[in-house]
Amino acid sequence: KQEVTQIPAALSVPEGENLVLNCSFTDSAIYNLQWFRQDPGKGLTSLLLIQSSQREQTSGRLNASLDKSSGRSTLYIAASQPGDSATYLCAARSNDYKLSFGAGTTVTVRA
Amino acid sequence: DAGVIQSPRHEVTEMGQEVTLRCKPISGHNSLFWYRQTMMRGLELLIYFNNNVPIDDSGMPEDRFSAKMPNASFSTLKIQPSEPRDSAVYFCASSPGPSTEAFFGQGTRLTVV
Repeated sequence: KQEVTQIPAALSVPEGENLVLNCSFTDSAIYNLQWFRQDPGKGLTSLLLIQSSQREQTSGRLNASLDKSSGRSTLYIAASQPGDSATYLCAARSNDYKLSFGAGTTVTVRA
Repeated sequence: DAGVIQSPRHEVTEMGQEVTLRCKPISGHNSLFWYRQTMMRGLELLIYFNNNVPIDDSGMPEDRFSAKMPNASFSTLKIQPSEPRDSAVYFCASSPGPSTEAFFGQGTRLTVV
């Protein structure tokens, strides 16, 4: 069974600082890894999808890396803004097509 | 496209009542997933369908839970009878295929009193 872990559980930074969010997974046999953002009381918004054959994916201030062999992915958010405050979840798509989620990292960016 | 559409957004029901949650996936998406989110257990996969066929329902907690996908544009998750411990946010997600990017609906917040 795929286990996904996210560390830290919570993070508070001043505006302008770069954010580094970590995700690890136990089974390296994955199709892809997806990062989501969830605002309080809302649904999940897809941020980035990294295929298993890729090393990284970028979208604006967001950059996600994937090291499949070591079972790790990292989401970098450059020059953080108060609007980046949210919970960030990573999810690994296993070969049985199940999308397994971590518990998330709750980010607070202080103005 | 309007995205994945779930209804109702909020549901409050009494213990023992039947509850039906609805989901309309993104047009053209062949895979559909039902998740449940609670503070204690996070996001849990309940069941997923591929081309309207249930592929894996091992996450369905009990026989009180059932899900159907009668066609490519509609799915239901039913709880009968409902219990207070079923209170959670239920999400539906769809993707073009079983291994591609998943898109989530806004969820249904279920409260069983």
